[in-house]
Amino acid sequence: DGGITQSPKYLFRKEGQNVTLSCEQNLNHDAMYWYRQDPGQGLRLIYYSQIVNDFQKGDIAEGYSVSREKKESFPLTVTSAQKNPTAFYLCASSIFPPAGTGVLSFQETQYFGPGTRLLVL
Amino acid sequence: GQNIDQPTEMTATEGAIVQINCTYQTSGFNGLFWYQQHAGEAPTFLSYNVLDGLEEKGRFSSFLSRSKGYSYLLLKELQMKDSASYLCAVRASNDYKLSFGAGTTVTVRA
Repeated sequence: DGGITQSPKYLFRKEGQNVTLSCEQNLNHDAMYWYRQDPGQGLRLIYYSQIVNDFQKGDIAEGYSVSREKKESFPLTVTSAQKNPTAFYLCASSIFPPAGTGVLSFQETQYFGPGTRLLVL
Repeated sequence: GQNIDQPTEMTATEGAIVQINCTYQTSGFNGLFWYQQHAGEAPTFLSYNVLDGLEEKGRFSSFLSRSKGYSYLLLKELQMKDSASYLCAVRASNDYKLSFGAGTTVTVRA
């Protein structure tokens, strides 16, 4: 079965601790994304990656870091610099990365993993 | 930034029809997605609109008017399992990312 997996489902962070959220996809998608979801707000983009070894900051990258060493994997680290990390974190992937110009392509459809809920102790 | 507006909540009866509106003020427009998200779960893709008009997909249809900056998602023959949040996402011109609305929570009552 092809899909996107995220682990763990729940994660607890202590003060001053870095934690890493896992995201793996076996859809052979080029692009991967990390979003944060807070109650009453739309999904906000943290980082995205169009290809291996390349990634770009989204709207709220401060306090987060990512890597893209393999096409299948896009882990997100929530660092101690992120002062309000409690949220639902969603990873997504798409066949094509966003083109930026031109009509939205169906291949830019983003498919989401099941999410990780991060809580602060 | 981009502005995407959706109603916060809607309630409807099983078997009825509900229309969820999405208005956007963005720097140009390249296309729009609708997603369904059950509580605590991942959003799942519902529909994709780039041209004006209605796209029908079973019980769900999505409409787009680019001149009015407006889309709606129409859910027919509502079922209890349709209780969920519905997210509108727009890609503006020359933008690399999707801008998401806050979502509309639909509650279906028996």
